[in-house]
Amino acid sequence: EIVMTQSPATLSVSPRERVTLSCRASQSISNDLAWYQQKPGQAPRLLIYDAFARAAGVPARFSGSGSGTEFTLTISSLQSEDFAIYYCQQYNNWPPRRTFGQGTKVEIK
Amino acid sequence: QVQVVESGGGLVKPGGSLRLSCAASGFTFSDYFMSWIRQAPGKGLEWVSHISSFDSTEYYSDSVEGRFTISRDNAKNTLYLQMNSLRAEDTAVYYCARTIKTYYFDHWGQGALVTVSS
Repeated sequence: EIVMTQSPATLSVSPRERVTLSCRASQSISNDLAWYQQKPGQAPRLLIYDAFARAAGVPARFSGSGSGTEFTLTISSLQSEDFAIYYCQQYNNWPPRRTFGQGTKVEIK
Repeated sequence: QVQVVESGGGLVKPGGSLRLSCAASGFTFSDYFMSWIRQAPGKGLEWVSHISSFDSTEYYSDSVEGRFTISRDNAKNTLYLQMNSLRAEDTAVYYCARTIKTYYFDHWGQGALVTVSS
């Protein structure tokens, strides 16, 4: 099983700050990585796939980078609606048993 | 627009069974893989199962293999999850999601709560 580890667990930030979230894979996954945003009481929403491609309707302030085992989600200027939990997910293995990171909570400072 | 809506959640005793349904609309259901992902209360996301679009090949996580069965009815645009031998640790919100091949999940339903308790 590919283990995904996110850091930090919680990030306290102020609006308009730049935010960087990290995700590490236990083995190389090329660029087979997605990022999701989940707000309280809501379903997750796809933000990024293939490590850096933005999903439809996702604002340009969200960007993804990385390959191999180290990945980053950056929010260039945090808006009030961006306070949420962010999960990474790999899709590199076969059989296709997908795994998520444990999440990073972005909270108001 | 793309929409997936889960139903069938509820309270069930340990060892019992439950069947979840997911009604899809706004896209050609038969063209897409579909998946179930769950989230225990206050916890993170856990992939449960995929089913392929063309031959209904099934894939399961170790935690549910042999107890859960995923299926689909392309004529009814509906995905199912039959859950047997339920355990307390299966308590979670179960999400249905449209899936790009077996890769990532681009549209999610609002979830169905399954509670396993005596």
